[in-house]
Amino acid sequence: AQSVTQLGSHVSVSEGALVLLRCNYSSSVPPYLFWYVQYPNQGLQLLLKYTTGATLVKGINGFEAEFKKSETSFHLTKPSAHMSDAAEYFCAVSHNQAGTALIFGKGTTLSVSS
Amino acid sequence: DAGVIQSPRHEVTEMGQEVTLRCKPISGHNSLFWYRQTMMRGLELLIYFNNNVPIDDSGMPEDRFSAKMPNASFSTLKIQPSEPRDSAVYFCASRVGQATEAFFGQGTRLTVV
Repeated sequence: AQSVTQLGSHVSVSEGALVLLRCNYSSSVPPYLFWYVQYPNQGLQLLLKYTTGATLVKGINGFEAEFKKSETSFHLTKPSAHMSDAAEYFCAVSHNQAGTALIFGKGTTLSVSS
Repeated sequence: DAGVIQSPRHEVTEMGQEVTLRCKPISGHNSLFWYRQTMMRGLELLIYFNNNVPIDDSGMPEDRFSAKMPNASFSTLKIQPSEPRDSAVYFCASRVGQATEAFFGQGTRLTVV
């Protein structure tokens, strides 16, 4: 069975500071990993994904994440936070076995202060 | 494409009533998911369809919940009878393959009073 753990339900940073949102996964086969963002009263939007190939993945809005198999991690980073980054962020895992669903972590709320 | 379309956006109903949530996935997508989001439990997978067939319904909380996908362009999630603890935002999402991302609808905010 696959699962996702997001460490820290709430992260607060100052505008311009580094953003680091943590995600660890559990999967018995090579995973597909995703980060989504959710703004208030909206659905989830994809930020970036890792399936195969380069382990450092760049996404929209200046976010990136690195797949580290040895650490079973897929942490999301952004060098400099903007006020508009305040939202809820979800890490998700799937893999290429037929019939595999997309499983989400519990989410991390990012607050950005000026 | 208009994306994943869910209706209604908001639903307020009385305890004991039947509630039906609707979803139209993106054309060409062969997988469909129903999720429930609450503050306490986060985003829970309720049921997953592949090619209109339910693959995993282990997340459906009780027999009061049922889901159908009669064709590739429509799915319903029904709660009968509804209870206050069913109050949540219900999301539908679709995707075209295992390695692709799922696209989400705007959600249905259900309030059971």
